[in-house]
Amino acid sequence: KAGVTQTPRYLIKTRGQQVTLSCSPISGHRSVSWYQQTPGQGLQFLFEYFSETQRNKGNFPGRFSGRQFSNSRSEMNVSTLELGDSALYLCASSLQLPQETQYFGPGTRLLVL
Amino acid sequence: QKEVEQNSGPLSVPEGAIASLNCTYSDRGSQSFFWYRQYSGKSPELIMFIYSNGDKEDGRFTAQLNKASQYVSLLIRDSQPSDSATYLCAVNEPGGSYIPTFGRGTSLIVHP
Repeated sequence: KAGVTQTPRYLIKTRGQQVTLSCSPISGHRSVSWYQQTPGQGLQFLFEYFSETQRNKGNFPGRFSGRQFSNSRSEMNVSTLELGDSALYLCASSLQLPQETQYFGPGTRLLVL
Repeated sequence: QKEVEQNSGPLSVPEGAIASLNCTYSDRGSQSFFWYRQYSGKSPELIMFIYSNGDKEDGRFTAQLNKASQYVSLLIRDSQPSDSATYLCAVNEPGGSYIPTFGRGTSLIVHP
């Protein structure tokens, strides 16, 4: 069974631009969670989607948004990029509940210049 | 501001010893707790979760939860060099939602 895939793996953007990251969960998994990891703040929870609905949300500004499609694939969007948005963005998928188990993708490394 | 505190380490233990990783949290209402392992340059992986006071064992790993003292720990028995990684503690929001707050992680080094 294929694991969680994320595209692109690396991305360079400039301040003020927007970016869209994609995550394909493990087949059959309906929950997708997104995280941001930086050296300064560590790992932080962004949001979680289940059956095309945002079920949980962390403490991030509205510039960070996401969505989930009927095939469970998910995208996250960051608008008006800031230098501080440079980070590794990870997604993880779960069958139903991320509390029980989840599998992480390899991440998308975003650099904002 | 919810806080999850971990000693950054590194914690160095000899092969075969017990590694003890600790985590304290500020939100007394928290009910679910997670331990993740992250190898250098890799993504995290969930290794254990615990909801109830006491111990939960899974192979060489034991999670211990003490809600009264607001700490959760992870014991790794018979530590192996392959256990060398950063261990992240995460504490979930009170209630049924999944909104975890992560600690900064403890670096564990198991030397032969």
